Amino acid sequence: NAGVTQTPKFQVLKTGQSMTLQCAQDMNHEYMSWYRQDPGMGLRLIHYSVGAGITDQGEVPNGYNVSRSTTEDFPLRLLSAAPSQTSVYFCASSRTGNNSPLHFGNGTRLTVT
Amino acid sequence: KNEVEQSPQNLTAQEGEFITINCSYSVGISALHWLQQHPGGGIVSLFMLSSGKKKHGRLIATINIQEKHSSLHITASHPRDSAVYICAGRDSGGGADGLTFGKGTHLIIQP
Repeated sequence: NAGVTQTPKFQVLKTGQSMTLQCAQDMNHEYMSWYRQDPGMGLRLIHYSVGAGITDQGEVPNGYNVSRSTTEDFPLRLLSAAPSQTSVYFCASSRTGNNSPLHFGNGTRLTVT
Repeated sequence: KNEVEQSPQNLTAQEGEFITINCSYSVGISALHWLQQHPGGGIVSLFMLSSGKKKHGRLIATINIQEKHSSLHITASHPRDSAVYICAGRDSGGGADGLTFGKGTHLIIQP
């Protein structure tokens, strides 16, 4: 099993450009989520999904879109990149339920100039 | 909204020392995660616990639900334990995924 696969590992965008961060998991997990990690702050939830066809907003959703057309994939779209979106992004998955461990992707380091 | 505080923020110790990292939270939780993030960024789940104590190799995690406190201990620490350790509490009443993350403890083990 590959676990949670995130691509790309690094990306540089200019302000106003759009892009999609890919996330795929092969563990048949219902729950998937996107976080951003910024210096001096804990991981913050952007969007999450509890199953195919179901998505919801997290703590910091503005400027990002998601979709969940399959159980395996949960892409994160930046609609019009801004310097404030410079961050490290992590995708995670787990089975639903309070007692399920989280599985993280390796992260995407995004710089917006 | 749950607040999760970790201490210390930074810790430097010598190889072989016993390490304790603390995590306290402001509201009742149903589960607590301990995560490890190595330089280079990948995050690995170490423990998920809702009561008592769990042990994996040289790592031990404990939680006291009533006191809203959890600790992560590392016995016989080694330079490869150098990493950022993050706790995250899942509160049953919270919105979204209910997880609140601490800011992390940056641990350096010197040989």
